[in-house]
Amino acid sequence: GAGVSQSPSNKVTEKGKDVELRCDPISGHTALYWYRQSLGQGLEFLIYFQGNSAPDKSGLPSDRFSAERTGGSVSTLTIQRTQQEDSAVYLCASRSGVSSYEQYFGPGTRLTVT
Amino acid sequence: AQSVAQPEDQVNVAEGNPLTVKCTYSVSGNPYLFWYVQYPNRGLQVLLKYITGDNLVKGSYGFEAEFNKSQTSFHLKKPSALVSDSALYFCAVTTSGTYKYIFGTGTRLKVLA
Repeated sequence: GAGVSQSPSNKVTEKGKDVELRCDPISGHTALYWYRQSLGQGLEFLIYFQGNSAPDKSGLPSDRFSAERTGGSVSTLTIQRTQQEDSAVYLCASRSGVSSYEQYFGPGTRLTVT
Repeated sequence: AQSVAQPEDQVNVAEGNPLTVKCTYSVSGNPYLFWYVQYPNRGLQVLLKYITGDNLVKGSYGFEAEFNKSQTSFHLKKPSALVSDSALYFCAVTTSGTYKYIFGTGTRLKVLA
């Protein structure tokens, strides 16, 4: 079946512009995660959704970052007034439910802020 | 606090030799452990997981890992490395009743021909 998809795969933007990154989880997966991976680094947790609710937004680096999920499916991560330090790969993962422990990752969106 | 340690940033091994990538963890409660592999410009793929059962877990591409509760370790092993195994490897842990995963910092494996 279809896996987790993310779009765009690459995004180059100018400093100060807003960007939207999209994640389509596996159909029926109730849990959705966003992570950030800086060049060659580990994964930094950003936000977790259970259904459309985000019980944990603690990883969002600043108030320029926000995310929403609609219909228990697609999620959008928005970065306002982008800065060069926002350049990274943004990864999305989904998980089928509380009793399933395996996360499935999308291919990521590489964001470059010039 | 929960944590995962991958003490080696990089592991080099000759093709055909056995490889080990180390992972230790610290959690409250029973751990659920994962190894993920990331190839260049790709997302993470799960290689293997320990949820319950046998301590020796076999996964994709000939990899295996042993859950050692007393040493709180979950080292990744393969008897004979291939050049195509060269990638970035992440160890991750979660526990029952929580949604959060803790990832190690990653180990870059380089298999030399």
